Amino acid sequence: DVKVTQSSRYLVKRTGEKVFLECVQDMDHENMFWYRQDPGLGLRLIYFSYDVKMKEKGDIPEGYSVSREKKERFSLILESASTNQTSMYLCASKTLPGTGQYFGPGTRLTVL
Amino acid sequence: QQQVKQSPQSLIVQKGGISIINCAYENTAFDYFPWYQQFPGKGPALLIAIRPDVSEKKEGRFTISFNKSAKQFSLHIMDSQPGDSATYFCAASPRAGANSKLTFGKGITLSVRP
Repeated sequence: DVKVTQSSRYLVKRTGEKVFLECVQDMDHENMFWYRQDPGLGLRLIYFSYDVKMKEKGDIPEGYSVSREKKERFSLILESASTNQTSMYLCASKTLPGTGQYFGPGTRLTVL
Repeated sequence: QQQVKQSPQSLIVQKGGISIINCAYENTAFDYFPWYQQFPGKGPALLIAIRPDVSEKKEGRFTISFNKSAKQFSLHIMDSQPGDSATYFCAASPRAGANSKLTFGKGITLSVRP
């Protein structure tokens, strides 16, 4: 079974802090994704990566950056956390184009 | 502009009934259509998916029906059970391209009453 793990299930940070969310997948997938999920807004794509050191902006990249130094690991960085970044963050990975994505359990981030 | 639209926004069904969730898409380049199921506190899980070369796909109690000309697809849950209570997302993506990505609907909450 594909396994996508995220470093924390719950995280509380203060406004202005730099926040790192880590995601690791164990199936040698090329593509990895970061979403945020908010009530009534569904899943919104922040960034994705289709190869090591490659990244593309999603629909809502403002205030975020990403890093992919190794194929199995994709990090989401909040350079200076703000209260409007309080959300559920979901990482996903997939292999070939036109196949399903596998999601991690999510990190619920609260920014105070 | 929302490229994948789900309806209804929420759904309440009695145990044993049929749950039907609909999705409409706009981009004719889409040719992979998955459904995801998400329980509270969990990440979404791939439930069932279809490609436009077939009009229907069935896996257990879950069936996807696909209407290419109408650009619509739907999820049918037969003999709905309380354990099916979850949020359901439809999605779509083009098959081609190394960096193809899914476009998700906003999700609907299904409640199955005992």
